[in-house]
Amino acid sequence: SQQGEEDPQALSIQEGENATMNCSYKTSINNLQWYRQNSGRGLVHLILIRSNEREKHSGRLRVTLDTSKKSSSLLITASRAADTASYFCATDHTGGFKTIFGAGTRLFVKA
Amino acid sequence: EAGVAQSPRYKIIEKRQSVAFWCNPISGHATLYWYQQILGQGPKLLIQFQNNGVVDDSQLPKDRFSAERLKGVDSTLKIQPAKLEDSAVYLCASSPIAGAGEQFFGPGTRLTVL
Repeated sequence: SQQGEEDPQALSIQEGENATMNCSYKTSINNLQWYRQNSGRGLVHLILIRSNEREKHSGRLRVTLDTSKKSSSLLITASRAADTASYFCATDHTGGFKTIFGAGTRLFVKA
Repeated sequence: EAGVAQSPRYKIIEKRQSVAFWCNPISGHATLYWYQQILGQGPKLLIQFQNNGVVDDSQLPKDRFSAERLKGVDSTLKIQPAKLEDSAVYLCASSPIAGAGEQFFGPGTRLTVL
């Protein structure tokens, strides 16, 4: 079964606004990653946060991780139309080698 | 560096036919993954190789799906016979080591089973 669950399933915002999407998981992890997928294409890695980290930044991206709540959030600041895509969280869980993807959040940024 | 290559990009077949997909990972990457992504869902791992050995194939429908990674480099995924519910995008990814971070994805093969 898929471990990551994203929320919301879909999000529509205006260009310039911030977008926040959340991910929850069930069992202990080594790290959590966020990927972006543009329509009909392969996934692109955005950012990785390790289980001993609480926050990480990369450009306009900010990721937080709360291991006590088994949840993570991805914040995209000052969104652009080009950020329109599906965003997936993926977890590498403790004791295994398999990465499990969630169902994704579909973000639509209106120009 | 060259990315993950996959072929074909698109394939349309009729149910009960056979189909094969090919993947060439990034040079030097020991771990290779095949994922199935049904429209509107996240990728589901079908099989994971470490070099030419299978690490995980627990979600591979072994009665119809098979995969190999001869010589620990490129890989093929086969479906025989195909069912309607196999319509999906098949993604190949590779990483330097397993379970430790970023995976590099190919463009995928979109399979339509009629």
